[in-house]
Amino acid sequence: QKEVEQDPGPLSVPEGAIVSLNCTYSNSAFQYFMWYRQYSRKGPELLMYTYSSGNKEDGRFTAQVDKSSKYISLFIRDSQPSDSATYLCALNYGGSQGNLIFGKGTKLSVKP
Amino acid sequence: EPEVTQTPSHQVTQMGQEVILRCVPISNHLYFYWYRQILGQKVEFLVSFYNNEISEKSEIFDDQFSVERPDGSNFTLKIRSTKLEDSAMYFCASSYGLLSYEQYFGPGTRLTVT
Repeated sequence: QKEVEQDPGPLSVPEGAIVSLNCTYSNSAFQYFMWYRQYSRKGPELLMYTYSSGNKEDGRFTAQVDKSSKYISLFIRDSQPSDSATYLCALNYGGSQGNLIFGKGTKLSVKP
Repeated sequence: EPEVTQTPSHQVTQMGQEVILRCVPISNHLYFYWYRQILGQKVEFLVSFYNNEISEKSEIFDDQFSVERPDGSNFTLKIRSTKLEDSAMYFCASSYGLLSYEQYFGPGTRLTVT
């Protein structure tokens, strides 16, 4: 079983829609959860960072972590064409291990 | 807003040649990382670096790879003898502290090995 699973999509939605992006993971030892946005041929851009179960909101973005289900989500409200990108979840074990374990990314297209 | 920068943006090299990829991390950050992303695949961790030494490395980071912080601002990744399968985007990242897991990525260097 892979450490981090993420549906690669592509996901196409109309402008203004609520988008739900998800990752599942296999190891309950993961402690830190991040979402990155990556435009084509660019570096990942940190969007959200959380370490506890529950919701964290930042503008139109909400990150949700359910450690009991090993499931994390990113919700985008009022989606815009500029949100079209690949969204990567990234997890970290914490402690002395600094490396991020990435999902494969979900490609999102928001149509005007 | 401070950002991680990387040079060159694109490097083409022949198999067997040495390449050095350069990064300037965010100035007050203490931890530095290299990741790579083969086209169509996930971003993979290569190595982390702190206090002038490697703190962690993956199985990918074999003897062909090395990292260095030659001065107070640059962080480099050297591939001694490139192989075709080294063709990928290479991303440098930095974070303020090890317990600050927010890593900020540079724009990447696209390495093409022919």
